[in-house]
Amino acid sequence: DQQVKQNSPSLSVQEGRISILNCDYTNSMFDYFLWYKKYPAEGPTFLISISSIKDKNEDGRFTVFLNKSAKHLSLHIVPSQPGDSAVYFCAARTIGANSKLTFGKGITLSVRP
Amino acid sequence: GAVVSQHPSWVICKSGTSVKIECRSLDFQATTMFWYRQFPKQSLMLMATSNEGSKATYEQGVEKDKFLINHASLTLSTLTVTSAHPEDSSFYICSAGPPNLANEQFFGPGTRLTVL
Repeated sequence: DQQVKQNSPSLSVQEGRISILNCDYTNSMFDYFLWYKKYPAEGPTFLISISSIKDKNEDGRFTVFLNKSAKHLSLHIVPSQPGDSAVYFCAARTIGANSKLTFGKGITLSVRP
Repeated sequence: GAVVSQHPSWVICKSGTSVKIECRSLDFQATTMFWYRQFPKQSLMLMATSNEGSKATYEQGVEKDKFLINHASLTLSTLTVTSAHPEDSSFYICSAGPPNLANEQFFGPGTRLTVL
């Protein structure tokens, strides 16, 4: 049973436009959500996170929105840049320090110049 | 952010041999580290939680006798793939979180294992 779902395997956007990456989850015990960016043959790089007590967190070009009632979160990148092209993983964890992360399958973002 | 390193970055070995992968937290101490593996175009699958000074906690379906984990110090965890077979070929990644950023995990660069 996949608890974190990224249903769209890929997304292609024009440089300068907005990229919206979606993620859904099923476990209501998740209280913290993270987005990671990953290049091939490298480890994931932390991008941005959000606690379940918030509905929005912004960091520069990256904004994460959380809709707890819908068990849905999204990552907005604006403006998108060619260097943003990578695989983006949504991850979630339950309460407690050092609790394990559950990852989605990832979305491949391609930003066209 | 915190820095996590892995060694080696890639390794090729013959079937039946054992391979050790190291994961180090460079600028913080980590009582807990996590080991993942990733198959091509798949998600990161948690294999085990490495606990300093105690036994690792393995996820369901992961053979603890095949994937030996040792967390001997607060900055080092090792994963040993014993009697490796071609199906063990994968990308292995570790992560750790510094105490002051307990909600976040920082990942190492990964180790590509190829078993011939």
